Amino acid sequence: DIQMTQSPSTLSASVGDRVTITCRASQSISSWLAWYQQKPGKAPKLLIYKASSLESGVPSRFSGSGSGTEFTLTISSLQPDDFATYYCQQYNTQGTFGQGTKVEIK
Amino acid sequence: EVQLVESGGVVVQPGGSLRLSCAASGFTFDDYTMHWVRQAPGKGLEWVSLISWDGGSTYYADSVKGRFTISRDNSKNSLYLQMNSLRTEDTALYYCAKGASSGYWIFDYWGQGTLVTVSS
Repeated sequence: DIQMTQSPSTLSASVGDRVTITCRASQSISSWLAWYQQKPGKAPKLLIYKASSLESGVPSRFSGSGSGTEFTLTISSLQPDDFATYYCQQYNTQGTFGQGTKVEIK
Repeated sequence: EVQLVESGGVVVQPGGSLRLSCAASGFTFDDYTMHWVRQAPGKGLEWVSLISWDGGSTYYADSVKGRFTISRDNSKNSLYLQMNSLRTEDTALYYCAKGASSGYWIFDYWGQGTLVTVSS
């Protein structure tokens, strides 16, 4: 099974900060990686797929990069609406999520 | 507008059975792969099961294989999850999710979830 490890688990940041979340796969997954945002009490929302493709309607301050085993999600300028938990998901072999990264207010 | 509405979540004893339903609207249901994804209280996301557009292919996470059965009724735009031999570790919010056009293992729309609690 492919394991996904996100870091950090929690990130404290301020509005306007550039934020980067890392996701590592236990084996190569090419670019078969998606990112989701989840707010408390809400369903997850797809942000990025195929490592770097922005889902329709998602603000351009979100970007993704990487291939193989190491991937990043970057928020270029953190907005109040972005405080949430973020999950990566590999879909090279079925679908496995990372454990999540909570972005909280500093 | 795509809508996915889950139902059927209740409190059930260990060893019991339950059937979850998901009513879909706002898209051509029988064009898309569908999934169940769950989230234990305060925990992360876990993919549970997939069913192809025509019901011909199904896949399960190892944690539920042999106990859960996914199915769909395209005439009713509905997705189901039959859950048998339930365990306390199956306690979770169960989401119905639609597979994306860009990749059927990508979940582009989610319902709000239905809560299953397995407890004596």
